[in-house]
Amino acid sequence: GDSVTQMEGPVTLSEEAFLTINCTYTATGYPSLFWYVQYPGEGLQLLLKATKADDKGSNKGFEATYRKETTSFHLEKGSVQVSDSAVYFCALRSTGNQFYFGTGTSLTVIP
Amino acid sequence: EAGVTQFPSHSVIEKGQTVTLRCDPISGHDNLYWYRRVMGKEIKFLLHFVKESKQDESGMPNNRFLAERTGGTYSTLKVQPAELEDSGVYFCASSQHGQTLVETQYFGPGTRLLVL
Repeated sequence: GDSVTQMEGPVTLSEEAFLTINCTYTATGYPSLFWYVQYPGEGLQLLLKATKADDKGSNKGFEATYRKETTSFHLEKGSVQVSDSAVYFCALRSTGNQFYFGTGTSLTVIP
Repeated sequence: EAGVTQFPSHSVIEKGQTVTLRCDPISGHDNLYWYRRVMGKEIKFLLHFVKESKQDESGMPNNRFLAERTGGTYSTLKVQPAELEDSGVYFCASSQHGQTLVETQYFGPGTRLLVL
């Protein structure tokens, strides 16, 4: 069945460091791919999305490219800030219209 | 515009008791979803309402879970009787149309349930 595997955390980085959170997926058909972020005490918020191969989603300095050949959707940011500390979830939405989420990766950015 | 709200934010109950979680979707959103995240694991789909009808309940773990959405507005998820393995965070989400792969689902803050 459809599934998402993402890099386990927790991840701790210094401010202005480069961030990569790996995400790979298994799906039949052509899913849409998403990154959600959950800040402390808040609900999940959509960070970015991509709907077809080679699309790049971007928001708030974060980017992820939909790579069909490697079934990946890695999240990257060139220079993280303390305010980026949160839990990040990779997700796919299948042709069956269900969402499948990864286990979440906790990121802590220290000054 | 108010977002998706969930009540309570936390609930601690004993095994065998009953708990009812509530979700108020964004006004005008016909589609309402319930998800659950068990500690350290992925967020898993439970079910999907379109208005008051259950569109997909394939993720419901067993018959101790009952979801309702009378009138097509808010939804409740009742767990009766609760077991230890039901502990986790229950998320609700809503979307306006629900029929496309690209439509955004808006999530609530979740209800943290602990069964002792």
